[in-house]
Amino acid sequence: DAKTTQPTSMDCAEGRAANLPCNHSTISGNEYVYWYRQIHSQGPQYIIHGLKNNETNEMASLIITEDRKSSTLILPHATLRDTAVYYCIVRVGDNYGQNFVFGPGTRLSVLP
Amino acid sequence: DSGVTQTPKHLITATGQRVTLRCSPRSGDLSVYWYQQSLDQGLQFLIQYYNGEERAKGNILERFSAQQFPDLHSELNLSSLELGDSALYFCASQGPGNTIYFGEGSWLTVV
Repeated sequence: DAKTTQPTSMDCAEGRAANLPCNHSTISGNEYVYWYRQIHSQGPQYIIHGLKNNETNEMASLIITEDRKSSTLILPHATLRDTAVYYCIVRVGDNYGQNFVFGPGTRLSVLP
Repeated sequence: DSGVTQTPKHLITATGQRVTLRCSPRSGDLSVYWYQQSLDQGLQFLIQYYNGEERAKGNILERFSAQQFPDLHSELNLSSLELGDSALYFCASQGPGNTIYFGEGSWLTVV
């Protein structure tokens, strides 16, 4: 699976959009981009994933560049409860023989 | 609530002892993953099972073992425990899609 690079930490004002970048320049054509977050020491929570097209769900939007070498997770209206570590993961789909590799992630602090 | 159940939530035990952590995956999910998260480290993949069969192995110590039973629940066995084994242990399950869903973890403290 391709490696990902994320900023160590970011701040965002409450109510503003939080844009979390991820670089995955060695991504292959069949690899998906996943985002998870971990609030304090809770179990990591699935947010969203995509292959090529931009995706949106009730939690966030995922914007993937046309060359697929980077992506951005957007939390449209960040709240204090969005303070967490956000992980960007690249993984081949439909493969039960590989694990999800979690890097250090981005520590997002939403400030009042 | 992810639908993945882990027990016990907290466990304190002495060095040298053996413990078993249990995971019940989401209904219908065939694949189970185990991760370890120490205080100063990220999520470390330990092992993955699919329908009772081991599919992938990470940096799992020889003192640790796991299995997945016919009813699809999984157990992680940790033996000859050392202080450094104190950590959060997460189980995750994967269904027909590619997404994995995590349980709330089991806190293990070795004293």
